[in-house]
Amino acid sequence: DTAVSQTPKYLVTQMGNDKSIKCEQNLGHDTMYWYKQDSKKFLKIMFSYNNKELIINETVPNRFSPKSPDKAHLNLHINSLELGDSAVYFCASSQETGGFDEQYFGPGTRLTVT
Amino acid sequence: QKEVEQDPGPLSVPEGAIVSLNCTYSNSAFQYFMWYRQYSRKGPELLMYTYSSGNKEDGRFTAQVDKSSKYISLFIRDSQPSDSATYLCAPSKGGYNKLIFGAGTRLAVHP
Repeated sequence: DTAVSQTPKYLVTQMGNDKSIKCEQNLGHDTMYWYKQDSKKFLKIMFSYNNKELIINETVPNRFSPKSPDKAHLNLHINSLELGDSAVYFCASSQETGGFDEQYFGPGTRLTVT
Repeated sequence: QKEVEQDPGPLSVPEGAIVSLNCTYSNSAFQYFMWYRQYSRKGPELLMYTYSSGNKEDGRFTAQVDKSSKYISLFIRDSQPSDSATYLCAPSKGGYNKLIFGAGTRLAVHP
């Protein structure tokens, strides 16, 4: 009974390719996020959507484009992949309350660009 | 200066030890202070959170925040091998404001 799921779990691809990572949550949350965790385990937010509306857009290359078809899904499309994009990408979701909102993370997608 | 500083370790302790994990932060607007635990090859999961300054205890875990010195601590009593993981502090202003994660401290508890 997975709360936040991501596909694929592993992605190996060559430089210059375009790839997508999908995320789905079945918690009924209205906010979803994408994080990047680099090789040093540093976890940094990339995007956040609330009710399909972009609310956080960190300094991320234009090659990264999030898409939220509905509240339960937030996909990440990456164009022209580069070696530096190799990382683990985590999707998360939370229910916005105006105060503390626990974020629930998916299992991660390990992207390797060769 | 990074908004959140955390010693990445690794920290290796024997089973039963008391562990102290710490972070410092620079933004005085942070109101919520979270600790996430991340096992190897898994997503982070919330361990505890505190609001503003003070202590909060949950079983063997105690979270402590000192807003005057901008210092966040997590104490683990009677540490167990199952506590071996990376611990990330993550303060936030709350609401739509993002979590700012520390670098994470890798903890290994050996039998």
